[in-house]
Amino acid sequence: EAQVTQNPRYLITVTGKKLTVTCSQNMNHEYMSWYRQDPGLGLRQIYYSMNVEVTDKGDVPEGYKVSRKEKRNFPLILESPSPNQTSLYFCASRGGGQNTGELFFGEGSRLTVL
Amino acid sequence: AQSVTQLDSQVPVFEEAPVELRCNYSSSVSVYLFWYVQYPNQGLQLLLKYLSGSTLVKGINGFEAEFNKSQTSFHLRKPSVHISDTAEYFCAVSEIGNAGNMLTFGGGTRLMVKP
Repeated sequence: EAQVTQNPRYLITVTGKKLTVTCSQNMNHEYMSWYRQDPGLGLRQIYYSMNVEVTDKGDVPEGYKVSRKEKRNFPLILESPSPNQTSLYFCASRGGGQNTGELFFGEGSRLTVL
Repeated sequence: AQSVTQLDSQVPVFEEAPVELRCNYSSSVSVYLFWYVQYPNQGLQLLLKYLSGSTLVKGINGFEAEFNKSQTSFHLRKPSVHISDTAEYFCAVSEIGNAGNMLTFGGGTRLMVKP
């Protein structure tokens, strides 16, 4: 089954404790992206990757890091989480080189930073 | 820069009634337009998209949307809703030729279908 898998789905952590949210897709997609969803703000892009070893900032990259060492994986790293990073996070992927195609989303990772 | 405004944060409607969810966008260049749906505790799924051609676009689950370039709108409609349509709906745009920062989303509209 074609899917985007995120882990963990739920996480409660404390300020300053490094964490990683993993994302894996099995569709051989070149493009992958991370979004955060906050009430009333919709989804905002954090980082994206056009292909292996190619990453770039989205609209809200502060406080986050990413890496793309393999095509299928695109982890999101919070080096020193803060309470304003409490949010619902989505990983998404898309095949092809044009931005006309459908984005496939994971089920989301709900992060709470105390 | 592009932006998307969904004018209603919540839309309550009775089952079998028609519904329209409104979306307006702003961009200095031509855009592609999308509607995504998010069911509770799930990720987003594509409902429909406008790339070119006919301005009336049909999607899954009986939804359709009409692109109006002069009014910079892309409203979503369904003639008769079901309880199962209860979800949050997101309008999104991407600028033609901009493959990187792919989609800008609106704030979402929560459709609540009552029996």
